[in-house]
Amino acid sequence: GAGVSQSPSNKVTEKGKDVELRCDPISGHTALYWYRQSLGQGLEFLIYFQGNSAPDKSGLPSDRFSAERTGGSVSTLTIQRTQQEDSAVYLCASSLGRDYTGELFFGEGSRLTVL
Amino acid sequence: DAKTTQPPSMDCAEGRAANLPCNHSTISGNEYVYWYRQIHSQGPQYIIHGLKNNETNEMASLIITEDRKSSTLILPHATLRDTAVYYCIVRGRSGGYNKLIFGAGTRLAVHP
Repeated sequence: GAGVSQSPSNKVTEKGKDVELRCDPISGHTALYWYRQSLGQGLEFLIYFQGNSAPDKSGLPSDRFSAERTGGSVSTLTIQRTQQEDSAVYLCASSLGRDYTGELFFGEGSRLTVL
Repeated sequence: DAKTTQPPSMDCAEGRAANLPCNHSTISGNEYVYWYRQIHSQGPQYIIHGLKNNETNEMASLIITEDRKSSTLILPHATLRDTAVYYCIVRGRSGGYNKLIFGAGTRLAVHP
């Protein structure tokens, strides 16, 4: 596709369950970012990938959160033992290379609701 | 990355120019000024960025003061579809990459 694709678009889960959120970046984009946005709040940086490695994981809120990227393309954000405070929209963005100073392209997000 | 200050909200009449200010008094010489917007329930959308010169594209103009301590995003003919939260972000090359740190932004309401 032409843009950043995220799935699922909506996910409702019960507290304590694990969830996986997927991001398919724009083809050829080596940089990939995950953000989350709680209701009525701004965007919070979670993690950055360059290729398959993650040089900046500083925004991951706890060890229940992890992410991986394979083949320099698709990334998966995993939240284990979900809590109600994990409810948010999780946004993925991609851009050309590490030295690119232009725009980040964002997906439409995955809305997670933890009951 | 330098911190930015924006008014929490602004109004604009449809068809008029919307001028959104941003203060970034601690910006350093190699930091860029970026503007993104987020329309309700959508992912953020890039608008424009600049280093020291004024910039214009099909969406907007970016005016950066000579001392680079503030900037203004101009939407020349605002429409109802421009109603969104506008984020001014200063971004440097920390660690060789460019993550965006979003603040609270300015909520722009365009009215008929």
